[in-house]
Amino acid sequence: DVKVTQSSRYLVKRTGEKVFLECVQDMDHENMFWYRQDPGLGLRLIYFSYDVKMKEKGDIPEGYSVSREKKERFSLILESASTNQTSMYLCASSRNEQYFGPGTRLTVT
Amino acid sequence: AQSVAQPEDQVNVAEGNPLTVKCTYSVSGNPYLFWYVQYPNRGLQFLLKYITGDNLVKGSYGFEAEFNKSQTSFHLKKPSALVSDSALYFCAVRDIGDSWGKLQFGAGTQVVVTP
Repeated sequence: DVKVTQSSRYLVKRTGEKVFLECVQDMDHENMFWYRQDPGLGLRLIYFSYDVKMKEKGDIPEGYSVSREKKERFSLILESASTNQTSMYLCASSRNEQYFGPGTRLTVT
Repeated sequence: AQSVAQPEDQVNVAEGNPLTVKCTYSVSGNPYLFWYVQYPNRGLQFLLKYITGDNLVKGSYGFEAEFNKSQTSFHLKKPSALVSDSALYFCAVRDIGDSWGKLQFGAGTQVVVTP
């Protein structure tokens, strides 16, 4: 079974803090994705990566950056967290269909 | 650009009755289509996909979906719903020409199955 893990299930941070969300997959997938999920908006793509050190912006990259130093690990970085980044963050990896991690519910106060 | 519409925010059905969750899509080329399910406080789980071939696709947990190219639809169906099918369902589309496998998701449909 494909396994995608995320470093935290719940996270509370203060406005202005730098936040790191980690994602690890164990299936040697080239493609990895970061989404945020908000009620009524579905999933929106923040960034994706198709290889080590390669990244592309998704639909809503503002306020975020990413890092992919190893094939299995894809990190999402909030450089200076703001309250409008309070959301559920989902990581996925794929060869064909996407496999998702359990999500990190981030609250920024 | 690709887009997905799930016209119903919520679908209510009694246990044992048929369940249908609607999805329509727009894509410039040919589509790959997917259904995912999300249980409370969990990530998304893959249910089924249409790539090519038979328009009726069977997936996990007794779900199936029918691809209709003329109506640009990919409705999810289950002949007899269970209380445990209560969850949030997402339809997603990928343009066949997208080599990176990016998906466009619908807003989701909450399914409530009552005993």
